[in-house]
Amino acid sequence: DAGVIQSPRHEVTEMGQEVTLRCKPISGHDYLFWYRQTMMRGLELLIYFNNNVPIDDSGMPEDRFSAKMPNASFSTLKIQPSEPRDSAVYFCASSLKGSTEAFFGQGTRLTVV
Amino acid sequence: AQSVTQLGSHVSVSEGALVLLRCNYSSSVPPYLFWYVQYPNQGLQLLLKYTSAATLVKGINGFEAEFKKSETSFHLTKPSAHMSDAAEYFCAVSDLNDYKLSFGAGTTVTVRA
Repeated sequence: DAGVIQSPRHEVTEMGQEVTLRCKPISGHDYLFWYRQTMMRGLELLIYFNNNVPIDDSGMPEDRFSAKMPNASFSTLKIQPSEPRDSAVYFCASSLKGSTEAFFGQGTRLTVV
Repeated sequence: AQSVTQLGSHVSVSEGALVLLRCNYSSSVPPYLFWYVQYPNQGLQLLLKYTSAATLVKGINGFEAEFKKSETSFHLTKPSAHMSDAAEYFCAVSDLNDYKLSFGAGTTVTVRA
C-alpha cells in the first residue's frame, strides 16, 4: 500500500481564496483524522471520521473550515475564505478499528498571503 | 481530557551518547501512550506504543520507552545516538476507547558528530 496520500504537498494562496486539501487514506482503514501543525499551537486534531461519518469536529477552529468524507477512500478539508493565520501544515492520518496505530500522510504545507 | 507534557523543547547529544526524551501524562487511568518521530518535511512515524501490556516497550531504530504509573511517565531512550536520529519527537496519548491522539509540544533532537 502507498500509505496515506495527501495533495497538494504545498499550496500558496491569497487571503480570501478557497482552499481544498485532499486525502486518500490507507485502503481498509475505518478512521480518518485531520491534524494541523503550527509553531504556536503544535499538533491539533481538527476532526475525525469513522466509516465516513464525522465523529468529533470540536477542533475545527471556525465555520470557515469544513471537512467531508464522501466515501471510504477520499476526504477533503476546505477553508473558505482563507486567512493568513490558517498558514500551517495539515496532516491526514488513518487507522484501522482495533488498532492503536495511526498512519500519517506527508502533509500539505499551506501558506496564505 | 488526556494530555501529555514533554520536558525540554530541544535536546542536543553527541553521536554515541544516550538519548533521553521525557514525557509525562495526566490521567487517573493508564491510557495508551505513543512516541512518534517526524523528520524534516515528512509526516509522523510511529516509534513505539504502550497499550497496557509490557511496561518496557521496544520500538524501531533502537528506541525504547518505559511506562511508569507511579511517576505518570513514559520516557523515550536510546543507548547510542546516531546522526540519523536527528528529528523531532512527539509523545502522544489517547483514551482506551478512543482513537484520537493528543500530542505533546515536541522535542527536537540534534546529534553532534
